[in-house]
Amino acid sequence: EAQVTQNPRYLITVTGKKLTVTCSQNMNHEYMSWYRQDPGLGLRQIYYSMNVEVTDKGDVPEGYKVSRKEKRNFPLILESPSPNQTSLYFCASSREREGYEQYFGPGTRLTVT
Amino acid sequence: RKEVEQDPGPFNVPEGATVAFNCTYSNSASQSFFWYRQDCRKEPKLLMSVYSSGNEDGRFTAQLNRASQYISLLIRDSKLSDSATYLCVVYTPGGGNKLTFGTGTQLKVEL
Repeated sequence: EAQVTQNPRYLITVTGKKLTVTCSQNMNHEYMSWYRQDPGLGLRQIYYSMNVEVTDKGDVPEGYKVSRKEKRNFPLILESPSPNQTSLYFCASSREREGYEQYFGPGTRLTVT
Repeated sequence: RKEVEQDPGPFNVPEGATVAFNCTYSNSASQSFFWYRQDCRKEPKLLMSVYSSGNEDGRFTAQLNRASQYISLLIRDSKLSDSATYLCVVYTPGGGNKLTFGTGTQLKVEL
């Protein structure tokens, strides 16, 4: 089954404790991205990757890091989480670039206290 | 002005009703347009792409008006299962190859 998986699905952590949210897709998609969704603000892009070892900032990259060492995986790293990073996070992939259908993971609900 | 604007709703309609959503976008260079559906606290899923000539998929019809820079989604004979948030999504090529999501319009279909 074609899918995008994310782990963990739910996470409660404390300020400053480094965490990684994993994302993996099995569709051999070149393009992957991370979004956060907050009430009234919609989905906002954090980082995206056009291919292995190619990443770039989206609209709200501050406080986040990513890496793309393999085509299928695109982890999101929060080196020192803060309460304003409490949000619902989605990983997405698509065949090529953003003009194509985005396949989203199930989401990770992060709470930083 | 937001790049993509939608009426947040909620739109409360009876089962069987016809309901229409509009979405406006600000960048005339925008190239591709989509409607995504998002159920509560779940991931967005593509409902349909929007073409200049308009397109229909069963009870759903999408229209694009480039001159006025808006897209629309019409749902006929609405079902309880249509209750969701509908996201307008616009792709604008260029340096950022930007995909912009609207904040969504919430639809509640009631008995």
